[in-house]
Amino acid sequence: ETGVTQSPTHLIKTRGQQVTLRCSSQSGHNTVSWYQQALGQGPQFIFQYYREEENGRGNFPPRFSGLQFPNYSSELNVNALELDDSALYLCASSLDGPGEEETQYFGPGTRLLVL
Amino acid sequence: TQLLEQSPQFLSIQEGENLTVYCNSSSVFSSLQWYRQEPGEGPVLLVTVVTGGEVKKLKRLTFQFGDARKDSSLHITAAQPGDTGLYLCAGGGYNFNKFYFGSGTKLNVKP
Repeated sequence: ETGVTQSPTHLIKTRGQQVTLRCSSQSGHNTVSWYQQALGQGPQFIFQYYREEENGRGNFPPRFSGLQFPNYSSELNVNALELDDSALYLCASSLDGPGEEETQYFGPGTRLLVL
Repeated sequence: TQLLEQSPQFLSIQEGENLTVYCNSSSVFSSLQWYRQEPGEGPVLLVTVVTGGEVKKLKRLTFQFGDARKDSSLHITAAQPGDTGLYLCAGGGYNFNKFYFGSGTKLNVKP
């Protein structure tokens, strides 16, 4: 148990729709990162939020957006879903960002299927 | 293109055998981390290596960071079925506001 929860666990959407995935971080963790993990691949960094502001972003288009709230919850929003968006979406929280002295704690992920 | 390349991609061995997983990059990292991920779960941090040439041991697992801080290896001695999982190396960008994972090594240890 990492203390990080995600909802829903599974989701099926159709191409063109919009989706919101939710994450609840460990209490006191100011940083949340979101990752996309395609089947058989390592996680790909989408973006990171620190104290409710986007702090870093990977190579994902603007239709991937996020929000972080003061109560240590966060959201990942994806607009105009494409078939290639089908993946496991992971959130990870850390006290002040991943790094040499910081550990990221991952949630179990939300598996999204786009038809 | 993956910033961190792992090899092998798949490994299926018998209980009791030894194995080594490699993580290579053309970029220098200030530190590298190793994670293990089981089906239906998120990755769990095993170790962070920070100093070039550093060796860290975690029971039967030995982690090494290359002298040039561009590569790392994970060696498992006398593998057990409980070691089965996806092993991932990862490293952060400047200020760790980006984070990169390798492609992963899927290990299956047969009893």
